[in-house]
Amino acid sequence: SAVISQKPSRDICQRGTSLTIQCQVDSQVTMMFWYRQQPGQSLTLIATANQGSEATYESGFVIDKFPISRPNLTFSTLTVSNMSPEDSSIYLCSVSGARGGVDTQYFGPGTRLTVL
Amino acid sequence: ILNVEQSPQSLHVQEGDSTNFTCSFPSSNFYALHWYRWETAKSPEALFVMTLNGDEKKKGRISATLNTKEGYSYLYIKGSQPEDSATYLCAFTNAGNNRKLIWGLGTSLAVNP
Repeated sequence: SAVISQKPSRDICQRGTSLTIQCQVDSQVTMMFWYRQQPGQSLTLIATANQGSEATYESGFVIDKFPISRPNLTFSTLTVSNMSPEDSSIYLCSVSGARGGVDTQYFGPGTRLTVL
Repeated sequence: ILNVEQSPQSLHVQEGDSTNFTCSFPSSNFYALHWYRWETAKSPEALFVMTLNGDEKKKGRISATLNTKEGYSYLYIKGSQPEDSATYLCAFTNAGNNRKLIWGLGTSLAVNP
């Protein structure tokens, strides 16, 4: 299994500002994903971070709001732009060794974001 | 719309009690069912992934069963311990949905010593 770290672990931000969350994996992985869990909601996939190309966003999520970088096979960042209180969530990155299938996803510990 | 439902939403038990949770998912076009445990301030931890109807998996005191025909999975914890306190999440992948994980809301378990 992969060991995944995220920074920051939590933050409190003012509306209108942006926050960049970092995800570091201890081994090279093909697939990296970004999720969020809003209060009282289930985990929701934001996008798949592709190495060497633009991220693939899920319905309801756009690049301008959640720009993602994936400079190599062990690192990715997610930026939450122009934040509003509705962006208060836990943001998680995860990795999988293969494209879809029954491969287990391994998660980071999450970033707990509160927007005032 | 693909929907995963978990029940109960929360559960409080005494140390030593056995307990079980339910995960319901669409039975058509089934691909896999995952169970995770998520303790506060930690990473969600994969417990099981099951693909075949009738699958049973076991890890220590925790076991899970799968019925793909009727669209449900049970997670059992035998002799609950305080360290079992966590949120238990199930996630479903559908063969036609690019195999993305669709998550339930989870069952929050609190085990009192």
